[in-house]
Amino acid sequence: ETGVTQTPRHLVMGMTNKKSLKCEQHLGHNAMYWYKQSAKKPLELMFVYNFKEQTENNSVPSRFSPECPNSSHLFLHLHTLQPEDSALYLCASSQAPPGQGYEQYFGPGTRLTVT
Amino acid sequence: KNQVEQSPQSLIILEGKNCTLQCNYTVSPFSNLRWYKQDTGRGPVSLTIMTFSENTKSNGRYTATLDADTKQSSLHITASQLSDSASYICVVSEKGGGNKLTFGTGTQLKVEL
Repeated sequence: ETGVTQTPRHLVMGMTNKKSLKCEQHLGHNAMYWYKQSAKKPLELMFVYNFKEQTENNSVPSRFSPECPNSSHLFLHLHTLQPEDSALYLCASSQAPPGQGYEQYFGPGTRLTVT
Repeated sequence: KNQVEQSPQSLIILEGKNCTLQCNYTVSPFSNLRWYKQDTGRGPVSLTIMTFSENTKSNGRYTATLDADTKQSSLHITASQLSDSASYICVVSEKGGGNKLTFGTGTQLKVEL
């Protein structure tokens, strides 16, 4: 298991529900990421946080709201989701941007189903 | 537009056999290329990372090659095991791109007895 944990592992929610996904990294990294992985599609970067500050938001709908209270914890708050939001949501962390050659470590993901 | 294309989409091989997975990319300027293994219901785990100057890198039974001129990479798996059954994802970073990674859709490998 990597040093990145995610809870819950599975989540089923209705379109009117509000829920939150949690990610914690035990690696002392400075950057944390949320990705969406849909079937037969490449991973899509959603949000990036560096030193608790959001540095990237890749045109993600406002029904997804991230929160990073400290460098070790990352949340994704969900509300009024659509069925097409059903996917595997992956959290990752790295010491510095992966484009500079730093390794990115992924959590096990939360399998989200929106009914 | 930066793209990463992987082939085949899926592959079934017998235990003990070798196989090679392909990755073609259009990302430019190039920084590095990674291969990840993703077991079902788990997050991706890094196998190798190669920069422009490296043309081969091994990790146990996994050997990745890179031809930066033709923008192609391959992942060779030797003496496959049942535990190699997974999705293998090729990821390319753009130079100066920071967090901009271009992911392939993966090759789904199944190793059977």
